[in-house]
Amino acid sequence: SAVISQKPSRDICQRGTSLTIQCQVDSQVTMMFWYRQQPGQSLTLIATANQGSEATYESGFVIDKFPISRPNLTFSTLTVSNLSPEDSSIYLCSVLGYGYTFGSGTRLTVV
Amino acid sequence: GENVEQHPSTLSVQEGDSAVIKCTYSDSASNYFPWYKQELGKRPQLIIDIRSNVGEKKDQRIAVTLNKTAKHFSLHITETQPEDSAVYFCAASNVGGGGADGLTFGKGTHLIIQP
Repeated sequence: SAVISQKPSRDICQRGTSLTIQCQVDSQVTMMFWYRQQPGQSLTLIATANQGSEATYESGFVIDKFPISRPNLTFSTLTVSNLSPEDSSIYLCSVLGYGYTFGSGTRLTVV
Repeated sequence: GENVEQHPSTLSVQEGDSAVIKCTYSDSASNYFPWYKQELGKRPQLIIDIRSNVGEKKDQRIAVTLNKTAKHFSLHITETQPEDSAVYFCAASNVGGGGADGLTFGKGTHLIIQP
């Protein structure tokens, strides 16, 4: 299975600021996925990031709030913009190899 | 889009007994059904998966069954142990043709193993 390095592992951010999360994969992958896990909840798909094309966002998620970059086949970033306390969640990236593998997650707290 | 329902939300069993968690899905195009175990503060870990061309799959104490006609799949854990205590998520996706959808998850089951 692919190994994913995700950072930061956690951060505390002020309202109105932004946080950029990075995921680095140890092998080339066509598709990367970004999820949100709100406290005590399940995982919800935010968007699918393909290299060389615009990310595809799920209903309820918009590019202005969650811009994604995918500059090559091993790296992606998710930015959570204009932070509010409701954005406090764990954000995870994922790739499909043998099954879907997840990064270790970024725990975001907005104060 | 896909909708995955998962039951029960909490399941408490005696150590050594079996546990069964059930999920239903709505999109007949889904063909890949993984189960994840998530311990507190950790990432989801794949424990078993099944594809739509298979009705059952087993890996030691864990098994998954799939009924495509009824659009439901189940996780079975036998001889439960304290380390099985965690939150379990079912999920569904369409994988193939060189691409894949992201996963749609159920709401999760908190499995508690009573000593």
